[in-house]
Amino acid sequence: QKEVEQNSGPLSVPEGAIASLNCTYSDRVSQSFFWYRQYSGKSPELIMSIYSNGDKEDGRFTAQLNKASQYVSLLIRDSQPSDSATYLCAVETNFGNEKLTFGTGTRLTIIP
Amino acid sequence: DAGVTQSPTHLIKTRGQQVTLRCSPKSGHDTVSWYQQALGQGPQFIFQYYEEEERQRGNFPDRFSGHQFPNYSSELNVNALLLGDSALYLCASSPGLGSFEQYFGPGTRLTVT
Repeated sequence: QKEVEQNSGPLSVPEGAIASLNCTYSDRVSQSFFWYRQYSGKSPELIMSIYSNGDKEDGRFTAQLNKASQYVSLLIRDSQPSDSATYLCAVETNFGNEKLTFGTGTRLTIIP
Repeated sequence: DAGVTQSPTHLIKTRGQQVTLRCSPKSGHDTVSWYQQALGQGPQFIFQYYEEEERQRGNFPDRFSGHQFPNYSSELNVNALLLGDSALYLCASSPGLGSFEQYFGPGTRLTVT
């Protein structure tokens, strides 16, 4: 079992709709969870971090965490063509040591 | 506020050669991590430096080594290059122990022929 798994994609969503990206992780002691956005040919950009169970909202982005189910998700409301990118889920998997383990990413395309 | 910088942007090397990649962290950050990202994959952790010492290491061979300088900048060295070392090498910085938010530089694209 991979340490961090993301829905395989690619995912296509009409402009203005909600895009839902999912991630599961295997290490129960993980405490910190991140979503990065990576445009083609560019480096990852941190867009959300979440540490507690529940929802965290930042503009059009909402991160959701359920530690009991070892599940974290990212919702993008009112999707825009500029949201088309690969989204990487990252989990701090070695408690206190700041090592991030990434999923393979989900490619999202927003269709105008 | 200067972000994370890396040099060079692109590099082409031949199998068996050695390469050095450089990174300057974001202002106010003292911890530097290096990642390797192969095409279509997520970044893979190589190692992390804090206070000029390697704090932890991922599953990479000893051909991969690094260094951190007193000004917190860092180098990644790879010896005896293999074709499989071709990847995007990413440097990420964070503001110190206990902060898990890491910010990436633009990366160095290494091609080994």
